[in-house]
Amino acid sequence: QSVLTQPPSASGTPGQRVTISCSGRHSNIGNNVVSWYQHLPGAAPKLLIFNQDQRPSGVPDRFSGSKSGTSASLAISGLQSEDEADYYCASWDDSLNGWVFGGGTKVTVL
Amino acid sequence: QITLKESGPQLVKPTQTLTLTCTFSGFSLSNNEVGVGWIRQSPGKALEWLALIYWDDDTRYTPSLRSRLTVTKDTSTNQVVLKLTNVDPVDTGTYYCAHLMMVTAFAFDVWGQGTMVTVSS
Repeated sequence: QSVLTQPPSASGTPGQRVTISCSGRHSNIGNNVVSWYQHLPGAAPKLLIFNQDQRPSGVPDRFSGSKSGTSASLAISGLQSEDEADYYCASWDDSLNGWVFGGGTKVTVL
Repeated sequence: QITLKESGPQLVKPTQTLTLTCTFSGFSLSNNEVGVGWIRQSPGKALEWLALIYWDDDTRYTPSLRSRLTVTKDTSTNQVVLKLTNVDPVDTGTYYCAHLMMVTAFAFDVWGQGTMVTVSS
């Protein structure tokens, strides 16, 4: 059972917009920044979003993040086949004094 | 350019100690506001954060494994070592090390390719 709660799956057709939610508590998302990672099978996880809404250089602007209270969201607009992957949210947790990850969301492009 | 690479045994017997090494380049763990984390993924499961070591030798561990984990660093060789004692088949998985950026952001921005570990007799 992960500390941060994500839906196990999400899907869309090419070109559609998909949104993934990440629910936490005051001790993690409510009080700390959120990051999002894309994990393709057999590859290293890749940082997509940091500080809840900032993209590292090289990440397409189709990916966007937001945070409100104790929840965060990742949106993928203009969905492409190469976006099929697992997506994880993460944050520092003040109570656990460590990092926590979400359970991951598998995005399927129909 | 920051790179990290994990190394260690592919197969470990139950009750043994697993020792993994993360060799990195492109940054120094003696610089302020830098850290290296360890994260694993068991088969079919989510990413799980294990441990973190900061530039000042401060360490953090996931509560459920704190008694079994140790993380150390060697700034002269640019390596971070993770030890997990008394391993069990549930410790099977892919282990990643990652650079923790702490200036202007707080996230694991660069990850190693991961090393797969199987715990079996």
